[in-house]
This record gives sequence, structure tokens and C-alpha cells, in this order.
Amino acid sequence: NAGVMQNPRHLVRRRGQEARLRCSPMKGHSHVYWYRQLPEEGLKFMVYLQKENIIDESGMPKERFSAEFPKEGPSILRIQQVVRGDSAAYFCASSPLGAPGQEQYFGPGTRLTVT
Amino acid sequence: DQQVKQNSPSLSVQEGRISILNCDYTNSMFDYFLWYKKYPAEGPTFLISISSIKDKNEDGRFTVFLNKSAKHLSLHIVPSQPGDSAVYFCAVGIYNQGGKLIFGQGTELSVKP
Repeated sequence: NAGVMQNPRHLVRRRGQEARLRCSPMKGHSHVYWYRQLPEEGLKFMVYLQKENIIDESGMPKERFSAEFPKEGPSILRIQQVVRGDSAAYFCASSPLGAPGQEQYFGPGTRLTVT
Repeated sequence: DQQVKQNSPSLSVQEGRISILNCDYTNSMFDYFLWYKKYPAEGPTFLISISSIKDKNEDGRFTVFLNKSAKHLSLHIVPSQPGDSAVYFCAVGIYNQGGKLIFGQGTELSVKP
């Protein structure tokens, strides 16, 4: 059973470009979470999605960031017009149910560098 | 405003001894608590969890203790092994807020042979 997959593992973008980060949850998991880790900091919650629904986006910046989890295909975190401050590691996690307290399984992360 | 704090950025322990990692939180509404382990260039790996109805949970060499009155969580690893060297994050959540987790800043554990 493959784990959570994220691609690309490394992404370099120039200021003003768009970044698309993809996450394929574990087989059988329909709940996806995105977190961001800035250097020397812990992971910060961004958004929680189920298939075709955004459940909680309280951690998403109001502008330039969006997320989706379509019926078919991976979840996508999209960052428009990237700035240097967007440079971070972005982690996706999945769980089989949205059950509170259920552990989330994390992918290896995408390291975004904005030059 | 940091709701979850791990005040020790690093900890060094001799192999075979006990490692104790600490975590403090501010919001008494948090009612489930988890520890994750992270190696460089990898995602966090779930270790152990505890809900607010318990004060201790044990899994092999790992034990998590919860002191609700002090809003304090700790992870004990005994005996410590060199392979335990990693960054450890505590994470907290609220049952009726779905799966959103709030993480501490992490403690880097180094276990020396």
C-alpha cells in the first residue's frame, strides 16, 4: 500500500510565477490536509479537504493561495504570483476518515524555493 | 500567539538512557494530542497519541503523559537508541473541529552511542 505521494519534491519558481503542488493520498483515504513549514518552525495548518469539498481553510492566506481535491485525481495546492516569503516545505497528509483524533499520514513534502 | 510550545529546541541523550521531550499548550479546549517524528527531507511520521480522558499511553519504548491541569504533555523514550535521533513534534487538536492539528516548533533529539 503506497504511502502519501507528493510531487514535485523540489520546485523552483521565480517571483510572480505560479506554483502547483500535487498530493495523492493513501489508497482508501478521502481526507487531505495541507501544512506549511517555514525554516526553523513547526508545521502550520493550511486547509482540510474532502473529495470535492473544502472543509476548513482557516489557515490559508486570503490571497494567491487555493486548494482543491477533485473527484478524480490528486489534491492540488496552487500558489499564484509567488513571493520569496512563500519559500517553505509544503506537506500533505491524509486520513481514512475525518474522525477527530485519527492520526494523519504525511507525504515527503514539496520544497518550494522562490528566487 | 503560539498555542503549542516546545521550549527545548534540542536535546542530547546517551544511548540506553531515557529521553524526555516536553510540550506545553495554552487552550484547555484541546482534547487530543499526538507526537510525530521527522527525519530530514521526509514527512512527519506518527508515533503515539493520547486523548484527554487518559493521562498516560504506552507503546513499546514510547510513553506519552498528559497533565491537563498544567496543560503539559511529555514523551518518554526508554531506552533511547541512536535511530531515535530526529526532530520530534507535538501536535494538538479539538475533536469537534475535525482533523486540523496545531504543531509545536519541534525538538531535535540526538542520541549518542
